[in-house]
Amino acid sequence: GQNIDQPTEMTATEGAIVQINCTYQTSGFNGLFWYQQHAGEAPTFLSYNVLDGLEEKGRFSSFLSRSKGYSYLLLKELQMKDSASYLCAVRPSLGAGSYQLTFGKGTKLSVIP
Amino acid sequence: GAGVSQSPSNKVTEKGKDVELRCDPISGHTALYWYRQSLGQGLEFLIYFQGNSAPDKSGLPSDRFSAERTGGSVSTLTIQRTQQEDSAVYLCASSAVTVNSPLHFGNGTRLTVT
Repeated sequence: GQNIDQPTEMTATEGAIVQINCTYQTSGFNGLFWYQQHAGEAPTFLSYNVLDGLEEKGRFSSFLSRSKGYSYLLLKELQMKDSASYLCAVRPSLGAGSYQLTFGKGTKLSVIP
Repeated sequence: GAGVSQSPSNKVTEKGKDVELRCDPISGHTALYWYRQSLGQGLEFLIYFQGNSAPDKSGLPSDRFSAERTGGSVSTLTIQRTQQEDSAVYLCASSAVTVNSPLHFGNGTRLTVT
């Protein structure tokens, strides 16, 4: 089966740094994705990791350790608009031609002044 | 259009009625996915289409749910004899078919069964 865990809620202060953790146990591994979802809106793609290490993209960075089944999303210089849910998703190995993602329940981040 | 388009954006129906939800994927994306999201829950996989292959229906919660994809493009998700527990946001996504391709989501259809 597939299991992805992330904290339900987090609160952080504007201008600060926050780290959102994700652990996973899946049938094989073909990469880990992070999505941002504002209330009432569709999830939007933030980052993709398939190799161990840190991927940096502006204020957002994502880290992966495949041996530990662990990832985190790091948000720097937090802005009020970063208040949203952050979804961790894994692409398991489900056979040739299968590209679906398995999602965690999401971490609701509240940025406060 | 530039993104995934879903219609209707909102649907209110009476328990026992059938509903059809439509998804128009990004042009050129051969993979199409349906997920649903209930309040406070994660995205639950429903069904996946890839080109001319048989769809992966492993996520459909009951035989009241079905989906088709015509001409490798537009998809319709049908829920028969709706129940209150079917109330959720139904999200459609499409992607290219490489291992690093993200899913691109539409804005969803919010279904309310009364």
